[in-house]
Parts: sequence; structure tokens; C-alpha cells
Amino acid sequence: GDSVTQMEGPVTLSEEAFLTINCTYTATGYPSLFWYVQYPGEGLQLLLKATKADDKGSNKGFEATYRKETTSFHLEKGSVQVSDSAVYFCALRRYNQGGKLIFGQGTELSVKP
Amino acid sequence: DAEITQSPRHKITETGRQVTLACHQTWNHNNMFWYRQDLGHGLRLIHYSYGVQDTNKGEVSDGYSVSRSNTEDLPLTLESAASSQTSVYFCASSERGGLTDTQYFGPGTRLTVL
Repeated sequence: GDSVTQMEGPVTLSEEAFLTINCTYTATGYPSLFWYVQYPGEGLQLLLKATKADDKGSNKGFEATYRKETTSFHLEKGSVQVSDSAVYFCALRRYNQGGKLIFGQGTELSVKP
Repeated sequence: DAEITQSPRHKITETGRQVTLACHQTWNHNNMFWYRQDLGHGLRLIHYSYGVQDTNKGEVSDGYSVSRSNTEDLPLTLESAASSQTSVYFCASSERGGLTDTQYFGPGTRLTVL
């Protein structure tokens, strides 16, 4: 069945460091891919998305490119801030599955000043 | 502003009791979803609905039920709470479920079953 695998956390970085959180997926067809962010004590918010191969989603300095050849959607940011500390979830949705999302296990990011 | 709310935000109950978690959205979205979040598992789908009177089981539906009597609400009921149902529960909604459709999440309910 469909699945999403993220790199293990927690990830601890210093402010202004480069961030990569790996995400790979298994799915038939051409799913849409998403990154959600969860700040402490809050629900999930959509961070960015991509709906077809080679699409690049971007928001708030974060980027991810839909790579069908490697079935990956890695999240990157050039210079993280303390305010980026959160849990990040990669997710997919297949076109014939309505609105259902399949999530990875989440990666906790902690950014130190 | 349109929003999605959940209540209660925190709940402690005892094994065997029936518990209902409320979810209310004001976007007039057709699709609504319930997920549970557990460490190491991310979010897993419990039940979902594509409209009034429509309900469907997700991957972890055993011990849970939902009903959709109007567009705005999708309450989640634990028929007989078990300790394995201690978790954080999130409700979400989206308009139609298309490839570019965005799913909006509520703030969550932390449920503890003793």
C-alpha cells in the first residue's frame, strides 16, 4: 500500500544553518505531495505542496521538489530560525482517494540560538 | 473568519466509558476527516466523510464511530474507551478532495484513557 517515510528525528540545528529533512514515498500513479508543519500545542498547517513531477513547492523560505525518479520530496531551507522549531510531516494523496492523506511519522526540528 | 474547532481540548476518561469528541467547521467544506497522532506513527486516518449522511472507515477505525447529520459537524465517538485510545485527535476538512485541495486542521484534542 501507499506509504511515506521520513528521516528520524529529532534534528537539532543552530540558527542560520541549512536544513534538509528527507522524505520518500511509495504510491501507485501520480500522487500529490505535501509538507505540513505543527508548532507546539497546535494543529497542522500546510507548509507547501506539489502536484506533479518536477514541481517545486515553496513557502516561508522552505522548498521541496517532487522527484518522481527517486520518489522523494525532501524539505530544504537555506537558513533556519528559532521560530522554525516544530514537527514537520510529509504526506501524499492519490488522485483517486478523495481527500485522504497518508502521513510520514513526522520529524521534530529544534533550532538553537 | 472561517475556522475549524474541536472540543474539548483535553479530556481524561476511564476505561469502558463512552466519549464523544466534537469537530465543527465553518468553511462549508464537504470533506471531513478524523486522525489520531501517536509518537512514531505520524497521523493515521480513523474515519472520514464526503458529505451529509456519508461516512467511511479509515485505517484505524476499530472502536470508533462517526455520524454526519449536517455539513458543519463530524463528531467522533469512542464506544467503550480503551487505554490504547489514549492519543491526540485531529479533525480536518477540505472542500472537494482534488489534487490541489488543501486540508485544514483543527487544534486537536488530547484524550487520556485511564
